[in-house]
Amino acid sequence: ILNVEQSPQSLHVQEGDSTNFTCSFPSSNFYALHWYRWETAKSPEALFVMTLNGDEKKKGRISATLNTKEGYSYLYIKGSQPEDSATYLCAFGQAGTALIFGKGTTLSVSS
Amino acid sequence: DGGITQSPKYLFRKEGQNVTLSCEQNLNHDAMYWYRQDPGQGLRLIYYSQIVNDFQKGDIAEGYSVSREKKESFPLTVTSAQKNPTAFYLCASRYSGVSELGYTFGSGTRLTVV
Repeated sequence: ILNVEQSPQSLHVQEGDSTNFTCSFPSSNFYALHWYRWETAKSPEALFVMTLNGDEKKKGRISATLNTKEGYSYLYIKGSQPEDSATYLCAFGQAGTALIFGKGTTLSVSS
Repeated sequence: DGGITQSPKYLFRKEGQNVTLSCEQNLNHDAMYWYRQDPGQGLRLIYYSQIVNDFQKGDIAEGYSVSREKKESFPLTVTSAQKNPTAFYLCASRYSGVSELGYTFGSGTRLTVV
């Protein structure tokens, strides 16, 4: 069974702090790396889908990088806001199969 | 509006009974997926289907069955053989023709065995 590891499991920051999370995945047979945001009482929503080594994606204050050779991705949030509070899921995909998800990083931002 | 609908939101089942969870999408997505979440666990793959009339087992398929008779629908049956069925179940879909598109998720069904 393939394994996707996310760290930290949870963290609590103050409004305005910048933070980052790590996702580790198998470096063989890579096809895609997904990041999702899952807010309480809502459905997970796709943030980024990255397919190429060295990919960098940005959406507002959130950005992500990808290193497929060493099997890791970072998610960065600049100037955290209370509305960023959510669980962030990382998922690894191989061609022709379903995504394998990590356990997620739960972020809590205090105002 | 296009989307993916799971029903019911909450479901209670007596031990020994089969129960079917509904998942319907009107996004014209060809691939559909079922995941299960338990406390402290990530999303674990139960079954997935990339085309009509075809599906593959995921990591925890034992005690579950699915069908994909229509593109829009991918129901999941939790059978009495599933030893620990109490969990939160998420359905997702995706247009597999574009690798840069992520999954679209339903709102989930929380199943409790009483």
